[in-house]
Amino acid sequence: LAKTTQPISMDSYEGQEVNITCSHNNIATNDYITWYQQFPSQGPRFIIQGYKTKVTNEVASLFIPADRKSSTLSLPRVSLSDTAVYYCLVGGYSGNTPLVFGKGTRLSVIA
Amino acid sequence: GAVVSQHPSWVICKSGTSVKIECRSLDFQATTMFWYRQFPKQSLMLMATSNEGSKATYEQGVEKDKFLINHASLTLSTLTVTSAHPEDSSFYICSAPRQGSNTGELFFGEGSRLTVL
Repeated sequence: LAKTTQPISMDSYEGQEVNITCSHNNIATNDYITWYQQFPSQGPRFIIQGYKTKVTNEVASLFIPADRKSSTLSLPRVSLSDTAVYYCLVGGYSGNTPLVFGKGTRLSVIA
Repeated sequence: GAVVSQHPSWVICKSGTSVKIECRSLDFQATTMFWYRQFPKQSLMLMATSNEGSKATYEQGVEKDKFLINHASLTLSTLTVTSAHPEDSSFYICSAPRQGSNTGELFFGEGSRLTVL
């Protein structure tokens, strides 16, 4: 399973764009990159997933370079409610293969 | 709405008692479910993989006799913490793969907070 490395924490002011980068040097050909958000005392929530290039949904964008050894989650115009822990996971579900969580990035949005 | 539901969301028990946590997939079948444990300010740690109709697969260091997992149907997996002790106090989270997906996307339950006195 590919191991991921993210910054432990980040701070941002409201209204700013936040970019969180994740390194996954050992990503396999079949692996997808998925980002989850977790609020205190809640289960993680899916944000976005991608395989290569750029993916955008109503919540975020995900940028993946050609070598796929890293990815960047971009949150446009964050608000206080975006304060959470963000996890980058790499893998592809096949049979009973679970996803292993790294340490995640604790984002604090300041007014 | 939630597609994976856990119950109870929180439970307090006395040391030495057993506690059962249920994880249900709503509107879809899950032949596999994953159980995670999370201590304060830490990441999720995979405990075991629950397989419908067969034995669960436990991660290294997780006692299978202490954390009993039963996946008796395609929509229900249970985790029973037997003879609970204060060090078992934690946030337990279950998850199930998105139906039909091979990309690794998981649906997570709301989590169950266990406090052992």
